[in-house]
Amino acid sequence: NAGVTQTPKFRVLKTGQSMTLLCAQDMNHEYMYWYRQDPGMGLRLIHYSVGEGTTAKGEVPDGYNVSRLKKQNFLLGLESAAPSQTSVYFCASSSPGGGEISEQFFGPGTRLTVL
Amino acid sequence: SQQGEEDPQALSIQEGENATMNCSYKTSINNLQWYRQNSGRGLVHLILIRSNEREKHSGRLRVTLDTSKKSSSLLITASRAADTASYFCMLTGGFKTIFGAGTRLFVKA
Repeated sequence: NAGVTQTPKFRVLKTGQSMTLLCAQDMNHEYMYWYRQDPGMGLRLIHYSVGEGTTAKGEVPDGYNVSRLKKQNFLLGLESAAPSQTSVYFCASSSPGGGEISEQFFGPGTRLTVL
Repeated sequence: SQQGEEDPQALSIQEGENATMNCSYKTSINNLQWYRQNSGRGLVHLILIRSNEREKHSGRLRVTLDTSKKSSSLLITASRAADTASYFCMLTGGFKTIFGAGTRLFVKA
C-alpha cells in the first residue's frame, strides 16, 4: 500500500497563476483533509471532506477550492496564486471512528512557492 | 474557534532523560491526538486519547488529559536521539481539527 500520496512534491508559481494539487489514498478512507503549514507553525485546516462528493470549509479556506469526485482522491485548487499562499501543503485521510475523527494518515507534503 | 497551544516551544535534553510537553485548549473536544514530525516531513500519529479518558500509554509514551483544566501532556520516557522531532497536539471537535504550534524536541546523544 502506498498510503497517502501527493502530487507534485515541489512547485514554483508566479502571482496570479493557477494550479491543482492532487492527493490520493489507497486505504478506502472516508475522510480527507487539506492543511497548510507555515514556518515554525502547526498545521491549519483549509478544507475537508467526509465522503465522496462532499466538501466543507476549514479554518483558512479563502483562496482555495477543493473537489472530491472520487473517494480516493481529494484535489486542492488555487485559482489565482498569491505570495501569501507560499507554504507546505499536507493532505491527510482517516476513517470514521465511531462518529469522531480517528488517526490521520499524512502525505509527504507539497512545497509551494509563489513569487 | 478552538485554539491549541503548546509549551515549551523548544526542549533540549540528554539521551536517557524524560521529555514532557504540554497542550492547552479553550473549548470542548471529542478527542486529542499527538503527532510527530521529522524535518518538514508528513506527520506521524503517536497516540489518541478520548475526552472521557484520563491517561493512556503506548510504549515509551504516556499521555494524560484533564478536561477540567483543558490540558494534556505527552511524556516520552528514556528519550533517544531518534526522538528528535517536532511534536504537535491535535484537537478534534465534530469533523474539524485544530493543531497546536508544536514543541521542538532535541535529544543530545
